[in-house]
Amino acid sequence: KAGVTQTPRYLIKTRGQQVTLSCSPISGHRSVSWYQQTPGQGLQFLFEYFSETQRNKGNFPGRFSGRQFSNSRSEMNVSTLELGDSALYLCASSLYIADTEAFFGQGTRLTVV
Amino acid sequence: GNSVTQMEGPVTLSEEAFLTINCTYTATGYPSLFWYVQYPGEGLQLLLKATKADDKGSNKGFEATYRKETTSFHLEKGSVQVSDSAVYFCALREAAGNKLTFGGGTRVLVKP
Repeated sequence: KAGVTQTPRYLIKTRGQQVTLSCSPISGHRSVSWYQQTPGQGLQFLFEYFSETQRNKGNFPGRFSGRQFSNSRSEMNVSTLELGDSALYLCASSLYIADTEAFFGQGTRLTVV
Repeated sequence: GNSVTQMEGPVTLSEEAFLTINCTYTATGYPSLFWYVQYPGEGLQLLLKATKADDKGSNKGFEATYRKETTSFHLEKGSVQVSDSAVYFCALREAAGNKLTFGGGTRVLVKP
């Protein structure tokens, strides 16, 4: 059974640009969550999607957005990139919305220059 | 809001030593508790979990017990190996939803 797939693995962008990251959850999983990992702030929750609906959102500016498609694949978008957006972005997949384990992808390493 | 506090690292040990990583939490209700491990260049892997008070999670020689009275979930391993070198994260999940709140992580380095 394939795990959580995140693409691309590495990305370099310039300040002011926008970026889209993709996450394909484990087959049959309907919940996808996103996290940002930085050395200074650690792991912080961005948002959670279930059945194409955003169920929960973390404390990030509106430049961070996401969506989920009918096949449960999810994308997150960051507009007007800032240097501080450089981070490892992790996607987690779960079977349902609660009371289940979260399986993480390897992440996308975003560097903003 | 919810929070997780774990001991700062790095923790440096010799092979076959005993490992303890402290984790305490603040939460409303009855959260589930987790330990995740992250190896260099990788995502997070679930190490063990406990969903209610007094539950003991265990996996690969690691153990942690959900202590509601002390709001703690300390990770222990009796005899570490070099391959246990990694960053360990304590986390909680509220009863509703899948949002995980993580501690700051503890880097463990096991020397041969």
